[in-house]
Amino acid sequence: EPEVTQTPSHQVTQMGQEVILRCVPISNHLYFYWYRQILGQKVEFLVSFYNNEISEKSEIFDDQFSVERPDGSNFTLKIRSTKLEDSAMYFCASTKEGAYNEQFFGPGTRLTVL
Amino acid sequence: GENVEQHPSTLSVQEGDSAVIKCTYSDSASNYFPWYKQELGKRPQLIIDIRSNVGEKKDQRIAVTLNKTAKHFSLHITETQPEDSAVYFCAASLTDTGGFKTIFGAGTRLFVKA
Repeated sequence: EPEVTQTPSHQVTQMGQEVILRCVPISNHLYFYWYRQILGQKVEFLVSFYNNEISEKSEIFDDQFSVERPDGSNFTLKIRSTKLEDSAMYFCASTKEGAYNEQFFGPGTRLTVL
Repeated sequence: GENVEQHPSTLSVQEGDSAVIKCTYSDSASNYFPWYKQELGKRPQLIIDIRSNVGEKKDQRIAVTLNKTAKHFSLHITETQPEDSAVYFCAASLTDTGGFKTIFGAGTRLFVKA
């Protein structure tokens, strides 16, 4: 069964550094999402992406964040200047058609900002 | 924006008993309500979902009910088993043309005692 994959599984970075988290959605899916989950807390929506542009974003997704689909398979989340409070698990997800469809989550990237 | 409240935060039941988790949402325009199960260190996985034009849905031991008027939806697990122990998240999604934003509840940690 196809799965969403994410790399790396764990990223450690220094405060102020840029990080890029990578995701490969399921190949025939059209809608892509990023979520974050601070340890022990709920899953928080960051952004949804369709047709090569952001379709929705949350208040968390400020100017420090950006997303890109650089080729036909990868979907990336960039954090320009990391803060301590960016430490969290970041999940990528994809759906085939968007509305009313199951979001398939990747395994997550644990980001630790020191 | 949408806000999802989830109760209880922790639920402990004896194996074989039923478990009920309740959620309320604030945005009456939300129209899709998925429930996710998350085991420790793993990705969220969809266990059941319901659309706003349906009042109840059942899948084996799991059922979900939706009261649109009250903006309330619930997850019911019958004949609980130890492997049902996990964190359960409700969510509310507002779907729009090209847009899809999912807001999660805070989660319920379910313990099923053998």
